[in-house]
Amino acid sequence: QKEVEQNSGPLSVPEGAIASLNCTYSDRGSQSFFWYRQYSGKSPELIMFIYSNGDKEDGRFTAQLNKASQYVSLLIRDSQPSDSATYLCAGPKGSGGGADGLTFGKGTHLIIQP
Amino acid sequence: KAGVTQTPRYLIKTRGQQVTLSCSPISGHRSVSWYQQTPGQGLQFLFEYFSETQRNKGNFPGRFSGRQFSNSRSEMNVSTLELGDSALYLCASSFAGSYNEQFFGPGTRLTVL
Repeated sequence: QKEVEQNSGPLSVPEGAIASLNCTYSDRGSQSFFWYRQYSGKSPELIMFIYSNGDKEDGRFTAQLNKASQYVSLLIRDSQPSDSATYLCAGPKGSGGGADGLTFGKGTHLIIQP
Repeated sequence: KAGVTQTPRYLIKTRGQQVTLSCSPISGHRSVSWYQQTPGQGLQFLFEYFSETQRNKGNFPGRFSGRQFSNSRSEMNVSTLELGDSALYLCASSFAGSYNEQFFGPGTRLTVL
């Protein structure tokens, strides 16, 4: 069973600072990863996905994938109170190139302090 | 474009009963995945249906089953409910499959007494 692990937090970051969220995974062969954001009482929503080694930027969000070290990170620049949520990292569940579905980490609870 | 809908939103059942949850995916999406979310275990994959066929299955007992209809709507059934089945059940739809961009529904909150 492939694992995706995250620190549950809470991670507290002052408003305007960079929030850094990390995720490690067990399977060296995993190719791509997803970051979902889940507000309390709501369902997850996809904010970023990354397929290749290196960085991917989208607005204030940057996803980083380091296959050699088997970690994925999400950076949130200029953090806003509205970024306060639980962030879920997801990777491939099986070895079928992703066709086996996703396995999720338990999420990191992020708090942006005004 | 309408999002993913799930019914009912809340359910209260007693041990031993069975329950059926429904999910209507985004129009044009062929894949529907089901997840169980609990505070202790997080989000766990139940199964995925794609074009009416179960394509993947998670590590849940056979009491958990599902199906998908020709219009891509999906149902999930849990028989002989146990207290530990209390959870938020989420479905997610995707055009190409669960390993692509998924859109989650609002979930069904199941409480087993």
